[in-house]
Amino acid sequence: QITLKESGPTFVRPTQTLTLTCTFSGFSLSTSTVGVGWFRQPPGKALEWLALIYRDDDRRYSPSLKSRLTITKDTSKDQVVLTMTNMDPVDTGTYYCAYRQRHNCYSYWGQGTLVTVSS
Amino acid sequence: DIVMTQSPDSLAVSLGERATINCKSSQNVLYSSKNKNYLAWYQQKPGQPPKLLIYWASTRESGVPDRFSGSGSGTDFTLTINSLQAEDVAVYYCHQYYDTPPTFGQGTKLEIK
Repeated sequence: QITLKESGPTFVRPTQTLTLTCTFSGFSLSTSTVGVGWFRQPPGKALEWLALIYRDDDRRYSPSLKSRLTITKDTSKDQVVLTMTNMDPVDTGTYYCAYRQRHNCYSYWGQGTLVTVSS
Repeated sequence: DIVMTQSPDSLAVSLGERATINCKSSQNVLYSSKNKNYLAWYQQKPGQPPKLLIYWASTRESGVPDRFSGSGSGTDFTLTINSLQAEDVAVYYCHQYYDTPPTFGQGTKLEIK
């Protein structure tokens, strides 16, 4: 059974760096075809893809946010970490991590974690 | 980026009736050599993560009721919900995974009339 769970701060100040951790089970990132991605969803708005990482450290980033994002993995801990620098109130929203097989859609999602950015 | 546009933005349907949601992509999402459309549909209820309903445009995810069906190819796609049930009230998103960045439609809010 594949599960994912996001963790991190619920509140950050503008200009701070956000660090979110996705802890998963039921699969391994040592499998070549498996990837973990990050998404966000502002309140009442649509989903937005942020980043993706595969076993071989193949990393992809949203072009509009690439300068602010870093995605890393710790295979021994079954975790994927996303950092986003220079946070702004418009970055407020629920952040999700999700599982995919390469060339397939995201089939399993975490429950999400709400991050509020405010001074 | 491939822009996904859904219609309508909201929809009210009577219980037991059919709901139809359309999705149009700004570019073709059909991978011709594999004859697969890289298009998925998700259902999202308040306070919950997206739930995968349909992938490859028309393949139902395991456990999804057969009243949900997907169709279309290339740039035009449809999600059909037959015999609407109360538990189908949600926001529905189409999603292309043909290209990076993967993108979503703006969502269609489905309510009971």
